[in-house]
Amino acid sequence: QITLKESGPTLVKPTQTLTLTCSLAGFSIGSSGVSVAWIRQPPGKALEWLALIYWDDTTRYSPSVKSRIAVTKDASKNQVVLSLTNVDAEDTGTYYCAHIGYSGVYFDHWGPGILVTVSS
Amino acid sequence: SYVLTQPPSVSVAPGQTARISCGGGDIGSKMVHWYQQKPGQAPVLVVFDNDDRPSGIPARFFGSNSGTTASLTIGSVEVGDEADYYCQVYDSDLSQGLFGGGTKLTVL
Repeated sequence: QITLKESGPTLVKPTQTLTLTCSLAGFSIGSSGVSVAWIRQPPGKALEWLALIYWDDTTRYSPSVKSRIAVTKDASKNQVVLSLTNVDAEDTGTYYCAHIGYSGVYFDHWGPGILVTVSS
Repeated sequence: SYVLTQPPSVSVAPGQTARISCGGGDIGSKMVHWYQQKPGQAPVLVVFDNDDRPSGIPARFFGSNSGTTASLTIGSVEVGDEADYYCQVYDSDLSQGLFGGGTKLTVL
């Protein structure tokens, strides 16, 4: 059974770096063909794709955050980590990590999400 | 940049058919995926690769994609289908994912 769970701070100050961890179960991020995505949703707004990481450490980022984002994986802990630098109020929202399907880039299993507020 | 356009809202009576569109240039050449999101919950994949359903998703959920419009059709709509629905593609040329703006389905 595939499950994902996000963890990290729920309140971050402007200009700080947001670091979130996605803990994986039921699959291994180090296994060939596996990939995980980060998606966020501002309150009352639409979903926004942020990034994905493949089992071989290849990453892809949204142009909207490309200069501020980094996604890494720790295969030994079976975790994926998102770092977003220089946050501001527009980065407030619920952050989800999701398992990517094997026949294409779609998100077939999601974590419950974590609400992050950027405020001083 | 590529944009996916969805109607903000669709309303339908119980037992009727709901159709939610997702417009984008040349979308027919892409694989489109659909998600259902109920308030306070994470999204759930209901259709992938244009017209496939994950296990556990009723056959009432049907996807199609051609030309400049993809659609999610929900037959025999139930009150429990009331939710926000999002379409999604992955643009391989740009190496980025993209969601539509979402459609709120109201079951009258």
